[in-house]
Amino acid sequence: GENVEQHPSTLSVQEGDSAVIKCTYSDSASNYFPWYKQELGKRPQLIIDIRSNVGEKKDQRIAVTLNKTAKHFSLHITETQPEDSAVYFCAANTGRRALTFGSGTRLQVQP
Amino acid sequence: NAGVMQNPRHLVRRRGQEARLRCSPMKGHSHVYWYRQLPEEGLKFMVYLQKENIIDESGMPKERFSAEFPKEGPSILRIQQVVRGDSAAYFCASSPRETSTNNEQFFGPGTRLTVL
Repeated sequence: GENVEQHPSTLSVQEGDSAVIKCTYSDSASNYFPWYKQELGKRPQLIIDIRSNVGEKKDQRIAVTLNKTAKHFSLHITETQPEDSAVYFCAANTGRRALTFGSGTRLQVQP
Repeated sequence: NAGVMQNPRHLVRRRGQEARLRCSPMKGHSHVYWYRQLPEEGLKFMVYLQKENIIDESGMPKERFSAEFPKEGPSILRIQQVVRGDSAAYFCASSPRETSTNNEQFFGPGTRLTVL
């Protein structure tokens, strides 16, 4: 089955700096890669996703890149703000199956 | 336009009791997924259901756990004879269909199960 690895497990940045979180996956058939943000005690919320026919996608301060050859994808947050502090999860799936999640990255944005 | 609904939000059970967790998918969604999240960990897939049909239960423990999604009513995750290790947040997600072209999953608020 699919295996998703996520790094780093914790990330601390100064407000205004950029943050990058990286994930690798094992199943070359995976074709959908969402990113979720989870605040303490809350549900995971989809913030951006990318499909395998696209190399990069951007939505305001958030961007995701996908390298299918290397089987890795990354989340980029620019101009970080304190409200970006949360746990971020990457995930992958093949459409027919459920999502396989990474282990999460705790992002702390220092004001 | 309600999102995914789960109840109860918090559930306390003593060891050996049964826990029933309910999930109502978003309107128009026919696919339901259950995930378990242990404290300070990621989400682990448990089971994937469509109406009256279990599609994939490869993440479900073989004993004590069962799930259903009847023709009418919510999906139910049932844990019999709970043990302390079952304490976790259980999230339900729904999607409109399984195809790779439109399979965003939207999560409910979760049920936090505490086993005393």
